[in-house]
Amino acid sequence: EAEVAQSPRYKITEKSQAVAFWCDPISGHATLYWYRQILGQGPELLVQFQDESVVDDSQLPKDRFSAERLKGVDSTLKIQPAELGDSAMYLCASRPAGTSGSGGELFFGEGSRLTVL
Amino acid sequence: QKEVEQDPGPLSVPEGAIVSLNCTYSNSAFQYFMWYRQYSRKGPELLMYTYSSGNKEDGRFTAQVDKSSKYISLFIRDSQPSDSATYLCAMSAEYKLSFGAGTTVTVRA
Repeated sequence: EAEVAQSPRYKITEKSQAVAFWCDPISGHATLYWYRQILGQGPELLVQFQDESVVDDSQLPKDRFSAERLKGVDSTLKIQPAELGDSAMYLCASRPAGTSGSGGELFFGEGSRLTVL
Repeated sequence: QKEVEQDPGPLSVPEGAIVSLNCTYSNSAFQYFMWYRQYSRKGPELLMYTYSSGNKEDGRFTAQVDKSSKYISLFIRDSQPSDSATYLCAMSAEYKLSFGAGTTVTVRA
């Protein structure tokens, strides 16, 4: 069964360090999302891509966060410098082409859990 | 005030009980309503999906949407220990999906 792949699963870093997360969506899925989920809260959208283009990054803290999806396939989310408040689960999700305007299913990866010390 | 409000619980019930979960929302533009299940240390997975108002049943799960009251519910009948998870409501208008905080449910054997 096709899955959204994410790495690393766990990352511990010290504040002010740089950290990067990688996501490979399900093959053929044009829309890719990065969500942040703080413990005890629901996922919050950081950035949405349609192919290689950013559709929505209004909630991305652009002074320290960046995201790219250069070839419209896999994606990288970077944090530099990391802060204590960035400790969270970073979830990647994808959706098939043609469903972005509807409420169709998002397929989530298992997430990357970040701990900033 | 958040767009989607969900009581985080936690909720603990004995095996076989009916679990009742709900969310309220403020954005009247929401048209698609979903329930995701999230096991510990895993990503969410879609459980139920409803368009507009009405009921939808899938096995032991029933989802209800009342757009006039801006209120959605999920019922789990004959709950099993394997149903122990966090249940997230989610809703969307156009492309953006907004999640509730999630309700953690424990079904005791």
